Amino acid sequence: QSALTQPRSVSGSPGQSVSISCTGTSRDIGTFDYVSWYQQYPGKPPKVMIYDVNKRPSGVPDRFSGSKSGNTASLTISGLQAEDEADYYCCAYAGSAMVIGGGTKLTVL
Amino acid sequence: QVRLVESGGGVVQPGGSLRLSCAASGFAFGSYGLHWVRQAPGKGLEWVSFIGYDGSEKYHRDSVEGRFTISRDNSKSTLYLQMNSLRREDTALYYCTKGLGPWGLDAFDVWGLGTMVTVSS
Repeated sequence: QSALTQPRSVSGSPGQSVSISCTGTSRDIGTFDYVSWYQQYPGKPPKVMIYDVNKRPSGVPDRFSGSKSGNTASLTISGLQAEDEADYYCCAYAGSAMVIGGGTKLTVL
Repeated sequence: QVRLVESGGGVVQPGGSLRLSCAASGFAFGSYGLHWVRQAPGKGLEWVSFIGYDGSEKYHRDSVEGRFTISRDNSKSTLYLQMNSLRREDTALYYCTKGLGPWGLDAFDVWGLGTMVTVSS
């Protein structure tokens, strides 16, 4: 049950687009289309932003999108806004377990 | 309104035990898989355990296997985590979270506010 690999930090200016990668293995991301992304503000519980690789729950802005290629999933945030500054985590089903990435801190410059 | 409220956390010595509870409301509790996810102070999220809608399917992360046991009482809409042989590295905020779909292993949607477990002598 190794954690998924994410960059520790990414940054972008308001209005720009940023992408956060999430690298797994053939035992998780590479095999199953159950990849999800979570946004977490300090002191708050996480909030699901993307599920099943590229689906958005109701209420999540369409500026957030997800994709997957091979063993790597990505979260893209377009039209960056100040309120997007938060920690982001990817998560994947790994057959009888869930694996979560180490988290990426997004800074809006 | 879907709500999850955790309780049972506290300070415990290494080797000790705690039982966490998660009271649920606002949804058909017996129709969804549920998870425990923890977050050590200043660290990232870590999946701990899963239980299927009827309790027949259970999974734990390797580091807690044999020490932690997840269970549920659908008549009380409550999820539990029995934690034995606690180690300092188990210190974390423990979140209860609901599976997005009935199967429960697709994603986490609703989260509680968490209950803090501190393992210290």
